[in-house]
Amino acid sequence: DTGVSQNPRHKITKRGQNVTFRCDPISEHNRLYWYRQTLGQGPEFLTYFQNEAQLEKSRLLSDRFSAERPKGSFSTLEIQRTEQGDSAMYLCASSSKTSGSIFSYNEQFFGPGTRLTVL
Amino acid sequence: QKEVEQNSGPLSVPEGAIASLNCTYSDRGSQSFFWYRQYSGKSPELIMSIYSNGDKEDGRFTAQLNKASQYVSLLIRDSQPSDSATYLCAVINSGAGSYQLTFGKGTKLSVIP
Repeated sequence: DTGVSQNPRHKITKRGQNVTFRCDPISEHNRLYWYRQTLGQGPEFLTYFQNEAQLEKSRLLSDRFSAERPKGSFSTLEIQRTEQGDSAMYLCASSSKTSGSIFSYNEQFFGPGTRLTVL
Repeated sequence: QKEVEQNSGPLSVPEGAIASLNCTYSDRGSQSFFWYRQYSGKSPELIMSIYSNGDKEDGRFTAQLNKASQYVSLLIRDSQPSDSATYLCAVINSGAGSYQLTFGKGTKLSVIP
């Protein structure tokens, strides 16, 4: 399978604990994105990397959230001191320029997500 | 505040009918428009992208874009029960240097056998 992969698929934690999620993008995709989705809502943007550089970060993102993509391949998203409001599906997506439209770079492909439950 | 609006539904259509899903967006500079399909408990799956005014067809799916009216639609012909899902509209304004997808809340489609 050459799609985006995410681990773990499910995570249950207690309030106040730290959690870390991993995303492996589609091979050779140099852009990687993190989103969060709660029930009944569309995904909400968190942050975006081009290669190893974090180029965009949501202003709504708490300082408890941090993301890295150290070698421009996989990425990790860490949440410190989790709160019950952090319970959500955390989605990773990747994209890359293709030989088609110049806008094809914007076509983002999502992984299966990590479902976080904070007790 | 960039907004993408969709009717939440549910939209119910009989099997074999045409399903019509609509979306409006507030950012007039938006350049890229997408439809994602999301089955319950699963992640969004990209099914259509459109970048210029007019229609784009792919199999049973047709996306329509009208930038003047800030309106995007998705038509599903010969609807099947397997099309029952939530359809998410998303836009990007990469001209503003942002590559984040802004999503609507989605329209839930039910195809009745």
